[in-house]
Amino acid sequence: GQSLEQPSEVTAVEGAIVQINCTYQTSGFYGLSWYQQHDGGAPTFLSYNALDGLEETGRFSSFLSRSDSYGYLLLQELQMKDSASYFCAVRQTMDTGRRALTFGSGTRLQVQP
Amino acid sequence: DGGITQSPKYLFRKEGQNVTLSCEQNLNHDAMYWYRQDPGQGLRLIYYSQIVNDFQKGDIAEGYSVSREKKESFPLTVTSAQKNPTAFYLCASSTPRQGVYEQYFGPGTRLTVT
Repeated sequence: GQSLEQPSEVTAVEGAIVQINCTYQTSGFYGLSWYQQHDGGAPTFLSYNALDGLEETGRFSSFLSRSDSYGYLLLQELQMKDSASYFCAVRQTMDTGRRALTFGSGTRLQVQP
Repeated sequence: DGGITQSPKYLFRKEGQNVTLSCEQNLNHDAMYWYRQDPGQGLRLIYYSQIVNDFQKGDIAEGYSVSREKKESFPLTVTSAQKNPTAFYLCASSTPRQGVYEQYFGPGTRLTVT
């Protein structure tokens, strides 16, 4: 089977930096995606890593270490609007037959003034 | 504007009734997905479809059924066999170019069964 672990909640102050970790166990790992979801809203895609290293997109960066089965999402210069839930999701290789993502249970980020 | 629409936003049903949730996309995406989200939880995959007239069971398909007769449409039926149908249902789509890692989500339907 597959499993993903994320912290359930993280709190940080405006302007700070926060890191949301994700560890995974899965067969045929291909890549790791990150999504943001505001309360009551739809998830939106943030980033994707298939190779080891850091991918930067504006204030958000995502990191992957395939050897450690670990990734993280880094949010810099936190703003109040970043308060949301953040999900990591695993993409598996084609030979597993699964053509869909498996999502973690999410990390609720609360940004305080 | 391209996007995914789900209707209705809120749906109320009595126990024992089947109910069909609508999902339509005009993004010309080949793949479509249905997820269920319970309060404070992640997204669990119900069914997905890579092409028209083909679909696969996800992780929690029991008590649900789907059809994919048109590229644009992927309706989900919640049957009376689903033991705990009250949840937030999300539909998504993706293109072959992005693969499955970048999915576009609709606004969701919140189903309450009493």
